[in-house]
Amino acid sequence: EAEVAQSPRYKITEKSQAVAFWCDPISGHATLYWYRQILGQGPELLVQFQDESVVDDSQLPKDRFSAERLKGVDSTLKIQPAELGDSAMYLCASSLELSFHNEQFFGPGTRLTVL
Amino acid sequence: TQLLEQSPQFLSIQEGENLTVYCNSSSVFSSLQWYRQEPGEGPVLLVTVVTGGEVKKLKRLTFQFGDARKDSSLHITAAQPGDTGLYLCAGHNYGGSQGNLIFGKGTKLSVKP
Repeated sequence: EAEVAQSPRYKITEKSQAVAFWCDPISGHATLYWYRQILGQGPELLVQFQDESVVDDSQLPKDRFSAERLKGVDSTLKIQPAELGDSAMYLCASSLELSFHNEQFFGPGTRLTVL
Repeated sequence: TQLLEQSPQFLSIQEGENLTVYCNSSSVFSSLQWYRQEPGEGPVLLVTVVTGGEVKKLKRLTFQFGDARKDSSLHITAAQPGDTGLYLCAGHNYGGSQGNLIFGKGTKLSVKP
């Protein structure tokens, strides 16, 4: 069964360090999303790609966060420098296309702890 | 700003009991999705409802979309410990906000054996 892959699953870092997360969407899915989920909350969108283009990054803290999807397949989300408040679950999701239903399929997430 | 309110926030029940979780908004959505998330894992899509008044069943889970497409409910019959998890509803408004999903904060369900 096709799945969204993410790595690493867990990351512990010290504040001011740089961290990077990787996501490989379901094959053929043109739309890719990065979400941040704080414990006890629902996921919040950070950035959305359609193929290699950014469609929505209005909630991405651009002073420290960056995201790319160079070849329109896998994607990397980077934080530099990490802050204590960045501790959260970072989720990647993909969907076949921007459709009426927009059914999104999530990866297992990366749990980030900033010390 | 579109918001989805879920209730209750926490629910702890015994195995075999029935329960209903609610998802409400003042906004109309093109479709609404329900996900279940286990600790340390990503959300797993359970169902998508798209038509006002629609009812979908997934084994012991029954999902309903409100007539006005502003609210939804999830009913679980004879809950089992395997139903434990965080239940998230997410609304989609086709053509708005680039098509992303608006998530509620979730209902954390614990089913005790």
